[in-house]
Amino acid sequence: DTAVSQTPKYLVTQMGNDKSIKCEQNLGHDTMYWYKQDSKKFLKIMFSYNNKELIINETVPNRFSPKSPDKAHLNLHINSLELGDSAVYFCASSPGPSYNEQFFGPGTRLTVL
Amino acid sequence: AQKVTQAQTEISVVEKEDVTLDCVYETRDTTYYLFWYKQPPSGELVFLIRRNSFDEQNEISGRYSWNFQKSTSSFNFTITASQVVDSAVYFCALSERRSGGGADGLTFGKGTHLIIQP
Repeated sequence: DTAVSQTPKYLVTQMGNDKSIKCEQNLGHDTMYWYKQDSKKFLKIMFSYNNKELIINETVPNRFSPKSPDKAHLNLHINSLELGDSAVYFCASSPGPSYNEQFFGPGTRLTVL
Repeated sequence: AQKVTQAQTEISVVEKEDVTLDCVYETRDTTYYLFWYKQPPSGELVFLIRRNSFDEQNEISGRYSWNFQKSTSSFNFTITASQVVDSAVYFCALSERRSGGGADGLTFGKGTHLIIQP
């Protein structure tokens, strides 16, 4: 009964490929996020969805496209992968407004060769 | 723009020592929220505490304590009688309330790598 789950846990792929990372939460939360953690451990918000609507879209290349089929899912699709996309991607969810803590998934380590 | 600074990149102490991790934040909002997260070597992010800008009371939870001071824009974290299992990267984070409601992402500091030596 994992609260926030991500698949896959590891993803190794070649430059130029398209890949997706899936995220699901079973907490009944309204809001979901994607964060990127680079090789120096720096964590940065990428996207936020509230009730399936895009709320935050930081300066992320448009090769990255989030998709939320329903409140419990927020998938991340990446086109034309580049070496610099190698990172750990974390999905998170929260009950709603910003003052709630965010619950993070286990992360997906993406390696682009 | 909001910003979180964790000036200590790495701290190494011997087990049972007390250790304080510093966090200084910048925000133009009067309503904001501060968080601490722990990232152990296994990689997951574990929520430790949330504090809103109107609550300056210090908090203690077992060996952990937090000192929030608005006057210095700091939200420091102290571990008393440290243990090897406390070894991790600790992140301080800030979130502002968006106008019109809605969710905001967390702005993280760069993290402090805490090493507890046996």
